[in-house]
Amino acid sequence: AQSVSQHNHHVILSEAASLELGCNYSYGGTVNLFWYVQYPGQHLQLLLKYFSGDPLVKGIKGFEAEFIKSKFSFNLRKPSVQWSDTAEYFCAVMSSGTYKYIFGTGTRLKVLA
Amino acid sequence: ETGVTQSPTHLIKTRGQQVTLRCSSQSGHNTVSWYQQALGQGPQFIFQYYREEENGRGNFPPRFSGLQFPNYSSELNVNALELDDSALYLCASSLGGGGNYNEQFFGPGTRLTVL
Repeated sequence: AQSVSQHNHHVILSEAASLELGCNYSYGGTVNLFWYVQYPGQHLQLLLKYFSGDPLVKGIKGFEAEFIKSKFSFNLRKPSVQWSDTAEYFCAVMSSGTYKYIFGTGTRLKVLA
Repeated sequence: ETGVTQSPTHLIKTRGQQVTLRCSSQSGHNTVSWYQQALGQGPQFIFQYYREEENGRGNFPPRFSGLQFPNYSSELNVNALELDDSALYLCASSLGGGGNYNEQFFGPGTRLTVL
């Protein structure tokens, strides 16, 4: 069965620190990959997506992610976090030709001012 | 362009009751997916509707059912509520369906509490 693992459940950083959140998936075929963010009291919003082409994708608010096919990974990065990045981050995978997202359990990020 | 809206925002029911949650898809979208997000978990896929037909289903029992209307809005119905059904129910709309890649846009969710 397909699954998505986010190994960091809670992350606390100071402002200006660098961020990397891990995401690994289990599926041998072609996948579409997503990172969503959920700010406190708000709905899920798309940060970035990958479905083909350059494995390094850039999203909104300075976030980027790198698809490494050999490692089944799609890690999220940001060089310098801000207090406003405090949120929960979800990695999601959609296998090509299907209709559903498989979400990871999420990572709660807290950025200290 | 109107985003995905859901109603009600919050709902409290007792065990054994039935509930209907509603979702209006984003303008121009013909596909609606429903997810259940339990506390501390990621969203779990319930099912998807494409052009008024169920297009796929996750690992949820038959007491979870749905409808999609000609205007592409959708309902999620849950019968015989159980305590474990307490969760945030998310609706997501997209353009496509039928297995094509499409980005899903999420609504704010309905928080269901079962007592």
